[in-house]
Amino acid sequence: AQTVTQSQPEMSVQEAETVTLSCTYDTSENNYYLFWYKQPPSRQMILVIRQEAYKQQNATENRFSVNFQKAAKSFSLKISDSQLGDTAMYFCAFMQDFGNEKLTFGTGTRLTIIP
Amino acid sequence: DSGVTQTPKHLITATGQRVTLRCSPRSGDLSVYWYQQSLDQGLQFLIQYYNGEERAKGNILERFSAQQFPDLHSELNLSSLELGDSALYFCASSVGQGVRNEQFFGPGTRLTVL
Repeated sequence: AQTVTQSQPEMSVQEAETVTLSCTYDTSENNYYLFWYKQPPSRQMILVIRQEAYKQQNATENRFSVNFQKAAKSFSLKISDSQLGDTAMYFCAFMQDFGNEKLTFGTGTRLTIIP
Repeated sequence: DSGVTQTPKHLITATGQRVTLRCSPRSGDLSVYWYQQSLDQGLQFLIQYYNGEERAKGNILERFSAQQFPDLHSELNLSSLELGDSALYFCASSVGQGVRNEQFFGPGTRLTVL
């Protein structure tokens, strides 16, 4: 079974700074997908970024980028120029390849952006 | 707004009771997923339906059941409720099968069992 580990329960950073959230996972599969979801105080789950394991290039979405290290089974999220609206819980999630689309989530990192 | 709707938003009930949570997927989405978010268990996958058929099962209790109807809306039935069933229940939908289809999450139903 796949497992996802987020070792940072809480983090805080000053507005406009850069912050990196860590995630490691365990799987015996070669093809899979990794995601970062954001859950603000409204509790809505919002997809931030996705990475396909067969792609070597790290995914980027505006201020959000990932550092995907397949051999190390590491998938960290970097938020640049952090904004107050980035304050939220961030969940790392794993999805196996086609035929098993369930998301396996980590325990989350509570990120607070300080004005 | 993800386009996925869930009703009710909040539900308060007593132990031993039965409740039904409803989910309407985005227009055109055929897959529906149910997830449970609780303090003890975190975010857990419960079950997936694709075009009316059960496709995958996670750690769903036998007291829980779900179905997807011909109009593609889905219901999650929770029976013989226990205090530990108190949680936020999410429904998500995607266009079809396959991981390239992003799962869009609804706002959730918060269930409180007293």
